[in-house]
Amino acid sequence: ILNVEQSPQSLHVQEGDSTNFTCSFPSSNFYALHWYRWETAKSPEALFVMTLNGDEKKKGRISATLNTKEGYSYLYIKGSQPEDSATYLCAFVTADRGSTLGRLYFGRGTQLTVWP
Amino acid sequence: DAGVTQSPTHLIKTRGQQVTLRCSPISGHKSVSWYQQVLGQGPQFIFQYYEKEERGRGNFPDRFSARQFPNYSSELNVNALLLGDSALYLCASSLLATGDYEQYFGPGTRLTVT
Repeated sequence: ILNVEQSPQSLHVQEGDSTNFTCSFPSSNFYALHWYRWETAKSPEALFVMTLNGDEKKKGRISATLNTKEGYSYLYIKGSQPEDSATYLCAFVTADRGSTLGRLYFGRGTQLTVWP
Repeated sequence: DAGVTQSPTHLIKTRGQQVTLRCSPISGHKSVSWYQQVLGQGPQFIFQYYEKEERGRGNFPDRFSARQFPNYSSELNVNALLLGDSALYLCASSLLATGDYEQYFGPGTRLTVT
C-alpha cells in the first residue's frame, strides 16, 4: 500500500498570515507530485505538477518545493486571503512498473480556513 | 474552453440497483480517469482509460466497470449497489496518460445509496 501523508489536517489562520503545509510520500520510485486546491462545491483545481528533485514552482502567492530524496513537498501561501480557504491535496505518482503511470495516490488533504 | 463535465450532479439509488455516471473530458484530452472520494479520505483511483483502452484499475470489485468512447467521453458503471458505494465520484481528463501531465477534474457526481 502506497502511503501519502499530509499535515496538518486543518489549519486556521488570520488574513495576512503566511502558512505552509507538508506532503510526505515514498522516497523510492518517484515519478511526479501534484498539488490541488479544492474549494467546497467546486472541482479540484490543479496547482502544480512537480517532477524534479529541488523543483520550485510558483503561482501568484502560492509556491511549492519538492525533495524527492527524502520524500516530501511543501506548499506555501504568502499573505493568506479569505479566498484561499480550501482543502489542499497532494497526489503522488509512482514509477513502479506494477502501477498505472497516470494513477494519482492522494493524501487526505489539509483544510485551510483564513479568517478576515 | 469548457472544462471537464460530469452528469448527473447528484443521484440517489437503492441497494442492489445499477448506476451509470458520465464524463466529458476537455477537448483534445485523450485520457480519462475515475476516482471515488468518501468523506475524510483522499480520492481513490478506480480506472484510467487512454485512447479507448483500459490502462489501469484500482482496488475495486468487478461490480465497477467503465468504458471510453471514440469521442473520448467515458462512462462509469456500478452494479449491485451497496451502501458503501455512497461517495463523490470524480472524473479527471489529461492530454496524455502519464502522470507528469496535469489532470483536470470535473465537479463530481454525488451518489447516495439507500
